[in-house]
Amino acid sequence: EPEVTQTPSHQVTQMGQEVILRCVPISNHLYFYWYRQILGQKVEFLVSFYNNEISEKSEIFDDQFSVERPDGSNFTLKIRSTKLEDSAMYFCASSGQGIPNQPQHFGDGTRLSIL
Amino acid sequence: DQQVKQNSPSLSVQEGRISILNCDYTNSMFDYFLWYKKYPAEGPTFLISISSIKDKNEDGRFTVFLNKSAKHLSLHIVPSQPGDSAVYFCAASTGNQFYFGTGTSLTVIP
Repeated sequence: EPEVTQTPSHQVTQMGQEVILRCVPISNHLYFYWYRQILGQKVEFLVSFYNNEISEKSEIFDDQFSVERPDGSNFTLKIRSTKLEDSAMYFCASSGQGIPNQPQHFGDGTRLSIL
Repeated sequence: DQQVKQNSPSLSVQEGRISILNCDYTNSMFDYFLWYKKYPAEGPTFLISISSIKDKNEDGRFTVFLNKSAKHLSLHIVPSQPGDSAVYFCAASTGNQFYFGTGTSLTVIP
């Protein structure tokens, strides 16, 4: 069964540095998402992306965050200047073949640790 | 602002019995609801969904019930199996934004 893959599985970064989290969604999916889960807390929506642009974003997704689909397969989340509170599991997900309300398929996440 | 709530952080059930996981939501605009299962060190895995036009959806051992007037949904697992032990998240959406609950950790005791 096709799956969403995320790299790296664990990223350790100094505070203030830029970090890029990478995702390869399922190949025929059209909707892409990033979520985060701070340790012990709920999974929080960050952003959804469709047709090469952001379709929705949460209040967490401020100017420090950006997403990109640089080629036909990768979907990246960039955090420009990391803060300690950015430490979390970051999950990428993809869904659908043109219909937004489709189950999302998640990757196994990238654990981001900010020192 | 917690639009989706799972008030039970944990639940233990004997193998073979029914597991009932509950979820409440506040936004009447939600039109699609899902349940996900999550094992440690893995991403959430989709289990079952229900559209707001229905009140029940069944898939094998899993049934989701939706009570729109009460803004409540539940997941029934019967019979429960030890492999069902995981954290279960409910989620709700309107458009392309999904809201997750905090999860319920289910333990099925052999």
